[in-house]
Amino acid sequence: DAKTTQPPSMDCAEGRAANLPCNHSTISGNEYVYWYRQIHSQGPQYIIHGLKNNETNEMASLIITEDRKSSTLILPHATLRDTAVYYCIVRVRNTDKLIFGTGTRLQVFP
Amino acid sequence: EAQVTQNPRYLITVTGKKLTVTCSQNMNHEYMSWYRQDPGLGLRQIYYSMNVEVTDKGDVPEGYKVSRKEKRNFPLILESPSPNQTSLYFCASSADRANTEAFFGQGTRLTVV
Repeated sequence: DAKTTQPPSMDCAEGRAANLPCNHSTISGNEYVYWYRQIHSQGPQYIIHGLKNNETNEMASLIITEDRKSSTLILPHATLRDTAVYYCIVRVRNTDKLIFGTGTRLQVFP
Repeated sequence: EAQVTQNPRYLITVTGKKLTVTCSQNMNHEYMSWYRQDPGLGLRQIYYSMNVEVTDKGDVPEGYKVSRKEKRNFPLILESPSPNQTSLYFCASSADRANTEAFFGQGTRLTVV
């Protein structure tokens, strides 16, 4: 699986947009970008995924660059409850596992 | 409510004493898996199951067993636990192998002394 690189930590003011970057320069054409988050030591929670096009759901937006070598997860209006570790994962669809790296620890402050 | 339920949430045991961590999902998912999470190592897959009676090893299967006799249940068995199995364990399920959206349990914190 392609590896991802994320900053270890980021801060964001409550109510502002949180933009979490991810580099995946070795991504293959059939590999998807997934984002999960883990609040404290709870089970990881799925956020969003995409292949080429930008995606949006009720939780977040995913912006993937045209060359697909990087992506950004956007939480449009961060709240204190969004404080968590965010994992960017690339994987081939129909494979067995999610490979979690060390993620980005997002701290949302008042 | 769609959920994956693990039990127990916390467990302290002694070396060599067999234990089972249960996992149950109510979404009729075919695919289930177990992960362990350790500081600095992230989550690593232990075992997975693509359907009833179909299981396979993940990245760190040594010292663990699983079974899938029913679709909803996927217990993790430690026949002879050792201190290096002290970890935070998560069970996950998804509708199929595509794993588009995996649902994780609340976690089981296991300490082996």
